[in-house]
Amino acid sequence: DTEVTQTPKHLVMGMTNKKSLKCEQHMGHRAMYWYKQKAKKPPELMFVYSYEKLSINESVPSRFSPECPNSSLLNLHLHALQPEDSALYLCASSPIFRQVNSPLHFGNGTRLTVT
Amino acid sequence: GQNIDQPTEMTATEGAIVQINCTYQTSGFNGLFWYQQHAGEAPTFLSYNVLDGLEEKGRFSSFLSRSKGYSYLLLKELQMKDSASYLCAVRENNAGNMLTFGGGTRLMVKP
Repeated sequence: DTEVTQTPKHLVMGMTNKKSLKCEQHMGHRAMYWYKQKAKKPPELMFVYSYEKLSINESVPSRFSPECPNSSLLNLHLHALQPEDSALYLCASSPIFRQVNSPLHFGNGTRLTVT
Repeated sequence: GQNIDQPTEMTATEGAIVQINCTYQTSGFNGLFWYQQHAGEAPTFLSYNVLDGLEEKGRFSSFLSRSKGYSYLLLKELQMKDSASYLCAVRENNAGNMLTFGGGTRLMVKP
């Protein structure tokens, strides 16, 4: 079992809905990440939080809004999404951002479908 | 920037050995990771190489040659459960030590 927990596992939402994805880890990691993964493609980085501050935003559209309420939690707020935003959204954590020998620990992801 | 190339798909037989290659072009190499990802699940960490040579972990081994920009993941005594995608990912210090993933290799293990 992964030590990074994501909820919900599946989400179907309309283009006018507002929803949130949640991620939690209790490993004491201080870096948390959101990735987007389309079918048969590698994960693509969206956001990085380091010590609860946004460090990287990979030019993600504003309809995706990240939030890091504390060192254990990471949210991704969704609003006015498009069908092409349907994907697997993966949360990950690592002990320290940019630490070279630290692997990322991934959650099981949220399978998002936008109708 | 960096290019990371892996074969898209491979097929192997249960009990056999398979080698999945990864080549990369980068300036400021700072480590290479292999991940396994079953369909619809999270990528799980398999191995990390930063120095040349072979790292062995049970049935899985990973090799790195920095001068050649080349790594491989070796899977021995293949089991059906090894059917998954295998992702090669590289850290580049000129990119702030961010991790960039290759396209992944989908391995199908047949009886």
